[in-house]
Amino acid sequence: DTEVTQTPKHLVMGMTNKKSLKCEQHMGHRAMYWYKQKAKKPPELMFVYSYEKLSINESVPSRFSPECPNSSLLNLHLHALQPEDSALYLCASSQVDLLPSGANVLTFGAGSRLTVL
Amino acid sequence: DAKTTQPNSMESNEEEPVHLPCNHSTISGTDYIHWYRQLPSQGPEYVIHGLTSNVNNRMASLAIAEDRKSSTLILHRATLRDAAVYYCILFSGTASKLTFGTGTRLQVTL
Repeated sequence: DTEVTQTPKHLVMGMTNKKSLKCEQHMGHRAMYWYKQKAKKPPELMFVYSYEKLSINESVPSRFSPECPNSSLLNLHLHALQPEDSALYLCASSQVDLLPSGANVLTFGAGSRLTVL
Repeated sequence: DAKTTQPNSMESNEEEPVHLPCNHSTISGTDYIHWYRQLPSQGPEYVIHGLTSNVNNRMASLAIAEDRKSSTLILHRATLRDAAVYYCILFSGTASKLTFGTGTRLQVTL
């Protein structure tokens, strides 16, 4: 299995809703990432997990709450979002123990397209 | 994070080679040069990476300047399926940050 699977593919939510995005991989990768991509812009890094621990938070607002319950699964919990949070949310995974570490390659999912009304 | 500079867009005819340039004058010794591409309505896809030597794989070739301040992604025979945004990224892996620049939108025509 060489894929990163993201669900749901599309999500529409109101500003008072609580929802979650899910990401799963079975490649044995121990680093997992969340990116946000607005239309016609490059992906922007949000969070990085390494060995199920949060290693990077790119100053993301607390209405986005990541969770890595095990080495195969990454969630992004959403609460009290704003319309400007509408975007494509991309999950990725990579090895972390390949040396030198710059040679690690990310595998991306197809993304979850979020619309906040 | 070290920055990369790429042309906003390029055009190519199908079946012809394409050379996509990238400047990275502030590259550090531990930075690998990675290329990813993003097809319409898909997540980014790994293309190739290298450190100092030129690299070839089934998708493309990567030519790295001797001073490592620039590189070129080479698609040997462009097809319509190669139309995508191509991102040149410097990645040291030490902080696990893979930061995208603005990329080059490649258009392939018949």
